[in-house]
Amino acid sequence: QSVLTQPPSVSGAPRQRVTISCSGSSSNIGSYAVNWYQQLPGKAPKLLIYYDDLLPSGVSDRFSGSKSGTSASLAISGLQSDDEAYYYCAARDDSLNGVVFGGGTKLTVL
Amino acid sequence: EVQLVESGGGLVQPGGSLRLSCAASGFIFSTYGMHWVRQAPGKGLQWVSRISSDGNNTTYADSVKGRFTISRDNAKNTVYLQMYTLRAEDTAVYYCVREVRGVSITPFDSWGQGSLVTVSS
Repeated sequence: QSVLTQPPSVSGAPRQRVTISCSGSSSNIGSYAVNWYQQLPGKAPKLLIYYDDLLPSGVSDRFSGSKSGTSASLAISGLQSDDEAYYYCAARDDSLNGVVFGGGTKLTVL
Repeated sequence: EVQLVESGGGLVQPGGSLRLSCAASGFIFSTYGMHWVRQAPGKGLQWVSRISSDGNNTTYADSVKGRFTISRDNAKNTVYLQMYTLRAEDTAVYYCVREVRGVSITPFDSWGQGSLVTVSS
């Protein structure tokens, strides 16, 4: 059972837009920035969104992040086949004095 | 180019010990906090431990506290994870991770390729 809650899977057709939710509490998302990671099959995770809504250099602007209260969302527009991956949210957590991750969401492009 | 290269993984019996190493290059290692994050087969990511840039502050996940020790040698640009009393549930790919310099211990902007640790008899 992960501290941050994500849907196990989402799907969408090419060129569509999907969103992935991430729910936490006051000790993590409610107090700290949310970061999102993309893990392609067989690869190490990669930073996708940081400090709630910022894009690292080189990341497509089809990806966007938002946060409100103790929940956050990742949106992916203009879906492409190579977006198929697992997506994880993460945040610092006061109660655990460390970093907590969501359980991960598998994105399938139909 | 930032590079993080883990080594030291392998097969170990329950109750055994193992030390992972992570060699860093391409950045000023002594100015970055470093972490270990693991991923059990077919499972999600789990944060394991963090060490401050100077090595004076360390934190651990409850699941490994008292059994794992994180350390670093800034002269060798290397971070270590010493694992004792290993259990089957410690079986995972262990990633060495760099945190972004700033006001918090996250986000993680660079990841190694991972080192597989298998705990089995």
